[in-house]
Amino acid sequence: GQQVMQIPQYQHVQEGEDFTTYCNSSTTLSNIQWYKQRPGGHPVFLIQLVKSGEVKKQKRLTFQFGEAKKNSSLHITATQTTDVGTYFCAGQGGSEKLVFGKGTKLTVNP
Amino acid sequence: DAGVTQSPTHLIKTRGQQVTLRCSPKSGHDTVSWYQQALGQGPQFIFQYYEEEERQRGNFPDRFSGHQFPNYSSELNVNALLLGDSALYLCASSGGQGLGETQYFGPGTRLLVL
Repeated sequence: GQQVMQIPQYQHVQEGEDFTTYCNSSTTLSNIQWYKQRPGGHPVFLIQLVKSGEVKKQKRLTFQFGEAKKNSSLHITATQTTDVGTYFCAGQGGSEKLVFGKGTKLTVNP
Repeated sequence: DAGVTQSPTHLIKTRGQQVTLRCSPKSGHDTVSWYQQALGQGPQFIFQYYEEEERQRGNFPDRFSGHQFPNYSSELNVNALLLGDSALYLCASSGGQGLGETQYFGPGTRLLVL
């Protein structure tokens, strides 16, 4: 079945440094979604990418969808303490089932 | 506009017992999906309900069952609880039948099985 792998599992940065998490699917995706989960919270939808090679920006966050629609990345520029949390990618293949990666836990040292 | 709500927020059960978790979808949404999130892991898809029927199912045993009501709210039932069922159970709602519909997650129910 479809698998989604995400790296790194953990990332610790100093405030102001950049951060990137990568996501790879074993199968071609129809779309990929990114979520953020704060400690003790629930996943909150950030963005959805649908088109091959798509790049979307939300302030300091940049999301990319690979040309083959099998990989994606999230890049945060100049991290802040408010960026702390676990970032999940979730892919949809030929069905509505969302397959989540294991997430990247980001900690930011002030 | 109310978001996705779930009840209860926390629950403690013992092995072998049965549990029912409840979810009300976001206003205007008709599709409900359930996920299990173990500690330190990503959410894992249990099943999805649309028009009161189970439309898709993940790799979970038959001990996990569900129901959707005419008002689109949903229940997740787990029978014969095991210690490994301890997790955060998330409900997500979406508004369409097609691919790419954004799923909105509720706050979850934290289940502890002793």
